[in-house]
Amino acid sequence: GAVVSQHPSRVICKSGTSVKIECRSLDFQATTMFWYRQFPKKSLMLMATSNEGSKATYEQGVEKDKFLINHASLTLSTLTVTSAHPEDSSFYICSARVPTGGNHNEQFFGPGTRLTVL
Amino acid sequence: DAKTTQPPSMDCAEGRAANLPCNHSTISGNEYVYWYRQIHSQGPQYIIHGLKNNETNEMASLIITEDRKSSTLILPHATLRDTAVYYCIVRVWEYGNKLVFGAGTILRVKS
Repeated sequence: GAVVSQHPSRVICKSGTSVKIECRSLDFQATTMFWYRQFPKKSLMLMATSNEGSKATYEQGVEKDKFLINHASLTLSTLTVTSAHPEDSSFYICSARVPTGGNHNEQFFGPGTRLTVL
Repeated sequence: DAKTTQPPSMDCAEGRAANLPCNHSTISGNEYVYWYRQIHSQGPQYIIHGLKNNETNEMASLIITEDRKSSTLILPHATLRDTAVYYCIVRVWEYGNKLVFGAGTILRVKS
C-alpha cells in the first residue's frame, strides 16, 4: 500500500514554543490530507482537512490560529502547533488520500507524532 | 454518516478466529462499512470494506447481514500481533470523504 511518513516521531518542547509536524506521502501525490489528534486511551479526533494549494477546513471546535496547516505541495502537509501548552500534548496523526478513482482504500495513515509540552 | 456500536473489548485465544461485531442499524443504502485497526502508538491500518456482499482479503473477512444493520469482522487465525483497537466506520464513499472514528473494540489476543 501507499506510504505516509511523519516527522518527527516524537517531540518534547517547552510551553510557549511552536512545533511543526510534517506529513509526507512517499510514493504518491496527495491532493487531500487529514490531521487527527488522539489523547491517551481515546479514539482519533479529526482536526482538519488539508487541501493542496488552498486553505484547510477545520472541524468544529478546532482553533485554526492555534493549529496552522499548510499543504504547499502534493506530497507535503505541515501542522504547526503555535504557542504550545501542556494541554496540547497529544498524539498527532496524519493521513493522505490516494487520488485513484474507484479505489475505496483511499486513505493511508502516518505513524503519528507524540508531542509532549512541558 | 451512520453511527456504529461496538463492544468496548474482547479477548481471543491465539490461533482461534476472532469475530468482532459492529452494529450500524441506521445505515443508508449508499454507505459502506469500513474496518481499520490501530496497534498501540501507531497510525490506523486499513483492513477491509464492503457494501452489501461479504468480502475477504488476505487479512480478514467481512460478513454483512442481509438487512445491512450489522456486520462482523473475522480474523481467521488470530495472532498476538493482532492485538489492537478495531474501528468499524460507516460512511458514504465519495471523493475525499473523511473518516470519523468511534470508540472501537480493544481486541486482546492471548496465548
